Amino acid sequence: AQTVTQSQPEMSVQEAETVTLSCTYDTSENNYYLFWYKQPPSRQMILVIRQEAYKQQNATENRFSVNFQKAAKSFSLKISDSQLGDTAMYFCASKNSGGSNYKLTFGKGTLLTVNP
Amino acid sequence: KAGVTQTPRYLIKTRGQQVTLSCSPISGHRSVSWYQQTPGQGLQFLFEYFSETQRNKGNFPGRFSGRQFSNSRSEMNVSTLELGDSALYLCASSLRTGNVNTEAFFGQGTRLTVV
Repeated sequence: AQTVTQSQPEMSVQEAETVTLSCTYDTSENNYYLFWYKQPPSRQMILVIRQEAYKQQNATENRFSVNFQKAAKSFSLKISDSQLGDTAMYFCASKNSGGSNYKLTFGKGTLLTVNP
Repeated sequence: KAGVTQTPRYLIKTRGQQVTLSCSPISGHRSVSWYQQTPGQGLQFLFEYFSETQRNKGNFPGRFSGRQFSNSRSEMNVSTLELGDSALYLCASSLRTGNVNTEAFFGQGTRLTVV
């Protein structure tokens, strides 16, 4: 079974600064995907970034990047130039890429507040 | 392209009643998954439907059931509601090819309150 742990229930950052959200996971699979989802007050879960475990290069999407440490089973999200609209719950999630890849396993989430 | 649509957005039901939630996936997506989100348990997988068949199920009692129609729309039903069923129910659609699911796109959820 997969588990995902987010050790920071809440974080805050000043607008325009950089913040890093932590995530560790555990899986016995060799091939899997990792994701960061954002859930603003509107409640819709929005995909921020994804990483395939077989790729060593860290994924980047504009101001969002990850630090993927496969051996340490760590998958942190860095948000650069934070904006007020980044205020949301952030969930780290994993999914197998093999035959049982039907579900996402989520962490408990980190509430990020961006202050003006 | 329209996103995932969930109806209704809000529901208030009485303990013991039953409820049906609806999810319309993104056009062309044939896999629909349901998740329950609560403050205590976080996000938990309920079940997945593909080609009108339940393919996978999470660890929930039989009171939770669902179905999928030929147009890929899915409904989730909860019978004999309990106070603990109060939650945000999220639906996600994916483009499934064989046994491989692409990334999941979520709807805005249905907020169910049981009183």
